[in-house]
Amino acid sequence: GAGVSQSPSNKVTEKGKDVELRCDPISGHTALYWYRQSLGQGLEFLIYFQGNSAPDKSGLPSDRFSAERTGGSVSTLTIQRTQQEDSAVYLCASTPPGAETQYFGPGTRLLVL
Amino acid sequence: GQNIDQPTEMTATEGAIVQINCTYQTSGFNGLFWYQQHAGEAPTFLSYNVLDGLEEKGRFSSFLSRSKGYSYLLLKELQMKDSASYLCAVRKISSGSARQLTFGSGTQLTVLP
Repeated sequence: GAGVSQSPSNKVTEKGKDVELRCDPISGHTALYWYRQSLGQGLEFLIYFQGNSAPDKSGLPSDRFSAERTGGSVSTLTIQRTQQEDSAVYLCASTPPGAETQYFGPGTRLLVL
Repeated sequence: GQNIDQPTEMTATEGAIVQINCTYQTSGFNGLFWYQQHAGEAPTFLSYNVLDGLEEKGRFSSFLSRSKGYSYLLLKELQMKDSASYLCAVRKISSGSARQLTFGSGTQLTVLP
């Protein structure tokens, strides 16, 4: 079946602009995660959704970052007033109910000029 | 906090065996994952250990010692396609029952002919 999809696959933006990244999890997966991976670094946890609620927002690096999930499915990660240090690959993962494995999407490569 | 350490790079020869080590320090440990990530692609799940011991899956095996905060991923009969980054990730139970993963920086494995 279809895996986790993310859009856009690549995004180039100017410093100070807002960007919106989208994640479509695997159908039926209740948990959704956002991570950030900077060049040569490990994955950095950003936020976790269980259904539409986000019980863990501890990883969001600043108040410029926000995320929402609607209908227990699609999630959007919004970065306001982007900075150059926001340049990274933003990865989304989802997990089916009761399972342990996180299935990752291909990521959105964000470059802030 | 959590500290996860793994070697940055390893090199091995096609057909050989390689062991990638991972050490971690965390509270509320609830499982250790290994993921494989080819350049420019999403991480893919390899193995999951929550109890001490060895889990074998084809050419890949993973070992966990919770008392030592130590895991390794063993790759046998190396193939060129095994050249990738191998990510060690620790899961902890945090507030709100979030099951976030904390990733190491990854070990870049190069398989030589």
